[in-house]
Amino acid sequence: RKEVEQDPGPFNVPEGATVAFNCTYSNSASQSFFWYRQDCRKEPKLLMSVYSSGNEDGRFTAQLNRASQYISLLIRDSKLSDSATYLCVVDYNNDMRFGAGTRLTVKP
Amino acid sequence: EADIYQTPRYLVIGTGKKITLECSQTMGHDKMYWYQQDPGMELHLIHYSYGVNSTEKGDLSSESTVSRIRTEHFPLTLESARPSHTSQYLCASSEYRQNYGYTFGSGTRLTVV
Repeated sequence: RKEVEQDPGPFNVPEGATVAFNCTYSNSASQSFFWYRQDCRKEPKLLMSVYSSGNEDGRFTAQLNRASQYISLLIRDSKLSDSATYLCVVDYNNDMRFGAGTRLTVKP
Repeated sequence: EADIYQTPRYLVIGTGKKITLECSQTMGHDKMYWYQQDPGMELHLIHYSYGVNSTEKGDLSSESTVSRIRTEHFPLTLESARPSHTSQYLCASSEYRQNYGYTFGSGTRLTVV
């Protein structure tokens, strides 16, 4: 079993849709959690950290459920520019583990 | 403006050649990493370092080697390039004590012919 698992997608959604990604992790002692965005043939870039209380950044909302060991990312009012691969990242003791990513395509 | 730099951005080289991929960061980060990623596939950690004179192998077996003589510099070397080494190589860095996530360089896209 992989340490960080994500639905690979692809998710194909129309502009304006709300889309949610889930990610599960196996190490219950994991300490920090992140979502990264990676555009085609580019490097991953930090989208947002994920806090226990949940956090929001504009159209993006991240949530953490430690009891069930999953993280979610919600994108509201999706834009064409949101098309990318979204990577779930889990850290234990400064050892970051990347999920394989979920591909999102937003269509006009 | 990038704080972590990788050169070259693209490299096409013949089989058997020795190559060094450069990675430098100006953030004073202790930890640095090399990842290998094929198009559309997941990242694989091949090397990492906790600081000067520290180097460790990652999860993916790699024929490459690394060195960390200076905090800001973490080059990756392939002694004899093969077509199977064709991939994208991404360098990243992070702070040691506080985890604010990794910062990635723009990558080196290597093609061995």
